[in-house]
Order: sequence, then C-alpha cells, then structure tokens
Amino acid sequence: DAGITQSPRHKVTETGTPVTLRCHQTENHRYMYWYRQDPGHGLRLIHYSYGVKDTDKGEVSDGYSVSRSKTEDFLLTLESATSSQTSVYFCAISESKALMGYGYTFGSGTRLTVV
Amino acid sequence: GENVEQHPSTLSVQEGDSAVIKCTYSDSASNYFPWYKQELGKGPQLIIDIRSNVGEKKDQRIAVTLNKTAKHFSLHITETQPEDSAVYFCAASLDTGGFKTIFGAGTRLFVKA
Repeated sequence: DAGITQSPRHKVTETGTPVTLRCHQTENHRYMYWYRQDPGHGLRLIHYSYGVKDTDKGEVSDGYSVSRSKTEDFLLTLESATSSQTSVYFCAISESKALMGYGYTFGSGTRLTVV
Repeated sequence: GENVEQHPSTLSVQEGDSAVIKCTYSDSASNYFPWYKQELGKGPQLIIDIRSNVGEKKDQRIAVTLNKTAKHFSLHITETQPEDSAVYFCAASLDTGGFKTIFGAGTRLFVKA
C-alpha cells in the first residue's frame, strides 16, 4: 500500500515476551490507528493517535501500548504477549477525522502468532 | 456504544449477477459510512463511502444506499466479475470526542465464473 508500511509482516513470539510492531507513513497524515482483525469480529480499534505524542485508547486496548514520537511512525507494543493476542494487526492513516469523510488507508498487515 | 451488524457473512453469486450486502448501525449520531474491500493477504481498501446527508451514491458498478430512519445502509455491486471476489466490510463513524470507526464483521463474496 503506497505511503504506509508495516513491519514485520510476520512474527512468531513466545508467551510473555514483549513485541513491538511498527507502522511508517510517508503521507504526513495527522491521524494513525492500530486495528486487530480476527475471524467473526471484523476490525477492532486498539489505539489511535491524533498527533505526535497524542494517543488514546480504542475498544480493545488492554495489554497494548502505543507511542508516536514522530509524525511518520506509530508503534504498537504488546508488553507481555498472550495467546489471545494472536491476530492480524493493521495500521491505518487518515487525513482528517473519520467523520469528516476521509476514509482510511490501511497497511498490508502484520500476522502475529503467540505460542 | 456503536454497533454495526453486517449480513450476510458469506455470499456466492454467478458472474454477471448482482450482489447486495446490508449493514445496520445502532447510534443515530453516526454520519459517515465507508465500505472497504479486502483481498487475500492485503489490507482493506476504501471503495466507496456515503455521508448522512446523502441517500445514494454510485461509482460505476458499485453503489451505496443509506436509510437514516431505519439506520441501515447497503452496498450494491452490479454485473459482478471474478475479481470482485473478496471480503467486504461496512463501517460507521461516530464522533464521541475520539476518532472511532466501527466495522461490521465482514462479508465474503464469491463470484463464480
């Protein structure tokens, strides 16, 4: 997806270990989001950011933290990975509030497996 | 909080037929309704959207309709082609002081050649 990259694309980690996923954008968009995708649940918001060092929780934020020290980078950290955090994680960016009519641009996703 | 229900979960059509996916939302304050298409191994991609002050929007073979009174909106794909096969997500945006878009659970569309 042009302008937004996620790394790594795949990761297998052990229960209890910390994991950090990275989202990098070249669009200079103010808003960035982390979603997780699970069968039967669609996409659920974990955390979002509305500017450098400005972040807030989504609907499934327990066990996750985020940081945004630069406009282009939004990091998602699993402090102590659990099997319930096995999922596909998507980063998204937008130019403005979603309600203003600007949809999201999504990254290609990170498939995380916690064993 | 906002809840978005999407039906059906799976839809199989013959090439050339039409496909319709329906979503309902719970919060009448929602005012922006995007639709995303997700192909295998990729992130969702915005294909069409509609705002609450518009009843219908069309873009070539796809169209979206919105009924604010009933709180439901639908995606219509005409003259389906095999490349339309994907998972489709509807979403509703609600301003509660944060920037939250709630997604439906998705519809897997199969277009048989």
